[in-house]
Amino acid sequence: TQLLEQSPQFLSIQEGENLTVYCNSSSVFSSLQWYRQEPGEGPVLLVTVVTGGEVKKLKRLTFQFGDARKDSSLHITAAQPGDTGLYLCASRSSASKIIFGSGTRLSIRP
Amino acid sequence: GAGVSQSPRYKVAKRGQDVALRCDPISGHVSLFWYQQALGQGPEFLTYFQNEAQLDKSGLPSDRFFAERPEGSVSTLKIQRTQQEDSAVYLCASSFGTVGTEAFFGQGTRLTVV
Repeated sequence: TQLLEQSPQFLSIQEGENLTVYCNSSSVFSSLQWYRQEPGEGPVLLVTVVTGGEVKKLKRLTFQFGDARKDSSLHITAAQPGDTGLYLCASRSSASKIIFGSGTRLSIRP
Repeated sequence: GAGVSQSPRYKVAKRGQDVALRCDPISGHVSLFWYQQALGQGPEFLTYFQNEAQLDKSGLPSDRFFAERPEGSVSTLKIQRTQQEDSAVYLCASSFGTVGTEAFFGQGTRLTVV
């Protein structure tokens, strides 16, 4: 069974600070996805990374896939209150299943 | 609307009661997933349909859980004889294809068993 471990579990920082959250596994993934989930809503896909070493940017968010395709990171620059939410990494390891990590709950203080 | 729609949004059930949760996927989407999400946790896979075929039900926690998608569109997740540990948010997602295509999630149904 593939497991995705996310760290930290909780993170509370001041507006304007930078942060990085991590997603790690002992398994190799063909691709990895990052989602953000706000309270009362379903997860929304932010990005999919496919190639080892790949870096993708989405405004102030930078996503990196590890060279060995076993881990990934999400870096947020100059965090804003609107970034608050549960960040989930996930992998669609087969046609039938998307496996999610346990998530990092991010809170940005104004 | 164009998104995945789930109903009801909230459901309170007495222990032992049966419940049925509905998912309307995006029109034309082949794949449909059900997930269970406990408070503060990531979603846990329950079951997967490709059109009307239930190809994977390995995540269903017990035989009290049953899902169907008889015509390959709307799906229903049924929980019989609900127990307190069934309290969670139940999420439905659909995607156009299979591997490699984006999954879109509904807002979920929050089930509280009292």
